Amino acid sequence: ETGVTQTPRHLVMGMTNKKSLKCEQHLGHNAMYWYKQSAKKPLELMFVYNFKEQTENNSVPSRFSPECPNSSHLFLHLHTLQPEDSALYLCASSQGLAGGDEQYFGPGTRLTVT
Amino acid sequence: GQNIDQPTEMTATEGAIVQINCTYQTSGFNGLFWYQQHAGEAPTFLSYNVLDGLEEKGRFSSFLSRSKGYSYLLLKELQMKDSASYLCAVIDSNYQLIWGAGTKLIIKP
Repeated sequence: ETGVTQTPRHLVMGMTNKKSLKCEQHLGHNAMYWYKQSAKKPLELMFVYNFKEQTENNSVPSRFSPECPNSSHLFLHLHTLQPEDSALYLCASSQGLAGGDEQYFGPGTRLTVT
Repeated sequence: GQNIDQPTEMTATEGAIVQINCTYQTSGFNGLFWYQQHAGEAPTFLSYNVLDGLEEKGRFSSFLSRSKGYSYLLLKELQMKDSASYLCAVIDSNYQLIWGAGTKLIIKP
């Protein structure tokens, strides 16, 4: 495996379910990100981890809970979601948090909340 | 507030040239990225500008004017595979990446 992988690629869940999204990067990067992408809206940064430590939480509702056990893996735990949480969830990684460090994205998980 | 403006959609003809503009108002500036995103796929890096001027990479070029808060992505010799969304993103003074909503480019034969 190379680059950034995400599983599952598609997820349908009810509002009372609990599920987790998984991201893995094989690039030796130190920073990882979760983004939410909704149609015709800018990418919304949710969480940033650098060397396994959370550095950003952009006022994300507590029904989204991130976990970063090591620099290569990132999880997003989901519970009691709302229909408006339906979106594409993208994981990304970068070498560090320096300005010019480009982010490498995974293919995303298409989430539908029913 | 911080804002990135891009046209929502553009149409161009195969073989032609198209310029996608991006204007920004951010708290500080530490660089600007362009990404390409095909439908249903991950965004992929195209270019990074931090100094004024034109950066050329094959058929794609990116221009930056920091004094005008303006950038453009120039695509030459358009191919059908260039149909995608193009995302502009600015690094602000806190090294946060501020994203535009993207420009959907449609290429017609």
